[in-house]
Amino acid sequence: EPEVTQTPSHQVTQMGQEVILHCVPISNHLYFYWYRQILGQKVEFLVSFYNNEISEKSEIFDDQFSVERPDGSNFTLKIRSTKLEDSAMYFCASSGNILAGGPRDTQYFGPGTRLTVL
Amino acid sequence: DAKTTQPNSMESNEEEPVHLPCNHSTISGTDYIHWYRQLPSQGPEYVIHGLTSNVNNRMASLAIAEDRKSSTLILHRATLRDAAVYYCILRDTGGGADGLTFGKGTHLIIQP
Repeated sequence: EPEVTQTPSHQVTQMGQEVILHCVPISNHLYFYWYRQILGQKVEFLVSFYNNEISEKSEIFDDQFSVERPDGSNFTLKIRSTKLEDSAMYFCASSGNILAGGPRDTQYFGPGTRLTVL
Repeated sequence: DAKTTQPNSMESNEEEPVHLPCNHSTISGTDYIHWYRQLPSQGPEYVIHGLTSNVNNRMASLAIAEDRKSSTLILHRATLRDAAVYYCILRDTGGGADGLTFGKGTHLIIQP
């Protein structure tokens, strides 16, 4: 069964450094998402991406964050200058089967990248 | 998306049915009821969704009240692997690829 993959599984970085989190969505999906979950807290929506542009973003997704789909298969989240409070699990998700689906379809989540900012 | 209310936690025994309630009194006519779950140390996972009629799939059943102001996720025979946080989420059928709004969900504990 197709699945969303994320790398690395764990990223440790120093405060102020740039990090890029990588995701490979399900191959025939059209809509891509990033979420985060701070330890012990709710899963929070960050951003959605469709047709090579941001579709929706939350208040959390400020100028420090950016997303890109560089090559038609990968979907990345960049944090330009990490802060201690960026430490969290980051989940990528995809939805919208190219044959029949839409943006409101089931979202399939990856296993997450644990980001630790020191 | 409209708000949902779920109990913080529930406990059940292995191999018994589990009924997870969700209240959504402000649901609109175009809101679908979605259930996701998050197993320990994993990403959220889709379980089931419905609009008006009860729904069944290989994972669970979804019973929707006639007035749609509440719903119940039913696990017919819980196993230890069903221990997870279960989220009830309303999703409007309108356009746009906005994200899911997760609440705190119900932490389901399964006793062997």
